[in-house]
Amino acid sequence: GQNIDQPTEMTATEGAIVQINCTYQTSGFNGLFWYQQHAGEAPTFLSYNVLDGLEEKGRFSSFLSRSKGYSYLLLKELQMKDSASYLCAVRDSNYQLIWGAGTKLIIKP
Amino acid sequence: IAGITQAPTSQILAAGRRMTLRCTQDMRHNAMYWYRQDLGLGLRLIHYSNTAGTTGKGEVPDGYSVSRANTDDFPLTLASAVPSQTSVYFCASSEKGSTDTQYFGPGTRLTVL
Repeated sequence: GQNIDQPTEMTATEGAIVQINCTYQTSGFNGLFWYQQHAGEAPTFLSYNVLDGLEEKGRFSSFLSRSKGYSYLLLKELQMKDSASYLCAVRDSNYQLIWGAGTKLIIKP
Repeated sequence: IAGITQAPTSQILAAGRRMTLRCTQDMRHNAMYWYRQDLGLGLRLIHYSNTAGTTGKGEVPDGYSVSRANTDDFPLTLASAVPSQTSVYFCASSEKGSTDTQYFGPGTRLTVL
């Protein structure tokens, strides 16, 4: 079966750096997405990786290793507004998105 | 303001009743999607439409139906609601189809009693 694994919850301190990991086992691979979802709101797009390596976008970076079935989202200079769930999703061979359950990130002052 | 709207925002429904969740986008995106989100689970695709006039089944289509009469609207109908359909429902769209990034509406929180 298809599976996306990410930690259920993480805690970090304001101003620090946090890395959220995602491992996947899917039938085919056509890209990996990271979304941010604040409580009670819609998921919003953060990043997309289809080739191995690091994609940087401001305070957020996303890394992909296709051979290891692994990605991480790196958040730098954490702010209180970064408290949210972070969803990892993989597009499979049928071009459908398979979603992880999300990682709830708690930022403490 | 461009984007996706969903209605209603929330609804409490008696089991056995029929319910249609509405979704409208003004971005002229070709593809639209319906997901449900349940605690502890990832988003699960219910139905999708790659272009007006076509629809397809996702991972959890049973008990739901959709139609895509035009580009902008993609309603989701529960013919006879059951308590297991209690969930948060998100509509999403993407510009060209399944190869593009998906953008989400604000969601509908549905409770079936």
